Amino acid sequence: DAKTTQPNSMESNEEEPVHLPCNHSTISGTDYIHWYRQLPSQGPEYVIHGLTSNVNNRMASLAIAEDRKSSTLILHRATLRDAAVYYCIPVSNTDKLIFGTGTRLQVFP
Amino acid sequence: EAGVVQSPRYKIIEKKQPVAFWCNPISGHNTLYWYLQNLGQGPELLIRYENEEAVDDSQLPKDRFSAERLKGVDSTLKIQPAELGDSAVYLCASSFGLAGEEETQYFGPGTRLLVL
Repeated sequence: DAKTTQPNSMESNEEEPVHLPCNHSTISGTDYIHWYRQLPSQGPEYVIHGLTSNVNNRMASLAIAEDRKSSTLILHRATLRDAAVYYCIPVSNTDKLIFGTGTRLQVFP
Repeated sequence: EAGVVQSPRYKIIEKKQPVAFWCNPISGHNTLYWYLQNLGQGPELLIRYENEEAVDDSQLPKDRFSAERLKGVDSTLKIQPAELGDSAVYLCASSFGLAGEEETQYFGPGTRLLVL
């Protein structure tokens, strides 16, 4: 299973962009990179996933490095509701999610 | 569409007592997961079902934990007897179970267990 490294915490002001980094240097060539987030007192929720190309959806964008050893989750305009723990998870064909400790994002008004 | 439903949301018991958690997955989802989340940590998989079959229970402490998924829909996770160290949040998740590495899991709100 690929190991991931994420900063323990990050801070942002409301309505500013946030770039959440993740290193996954041992990722295998067929693993997809998934991001989930967990709001306080809730279960994790899916944010976005990708393989090689950058991906966009209504929640966020995912920028994947060309060598796939790192990726960045981009929240274009942070809101107070985006305060959560963000998990970066390489997923193989077993679709098993192995969570690390994630990045706790604080958003200030 | 209703999400994953879990009950109870909170449970306080004394050590050595039994406890059970219930999960109703999203309609049509074939795969069901139970996770354990300790404070400050990410969730850890306990058991995974594909329909009625437990296909990965390698992390389930089988001396005190048991789970079942009758008729391939609802599931129950039981602890008997509970220990102080079992205090944690127990999360249930479900997925269609067909998309492999692109599969998305949908989580319930969890049951917060406190063992005194």
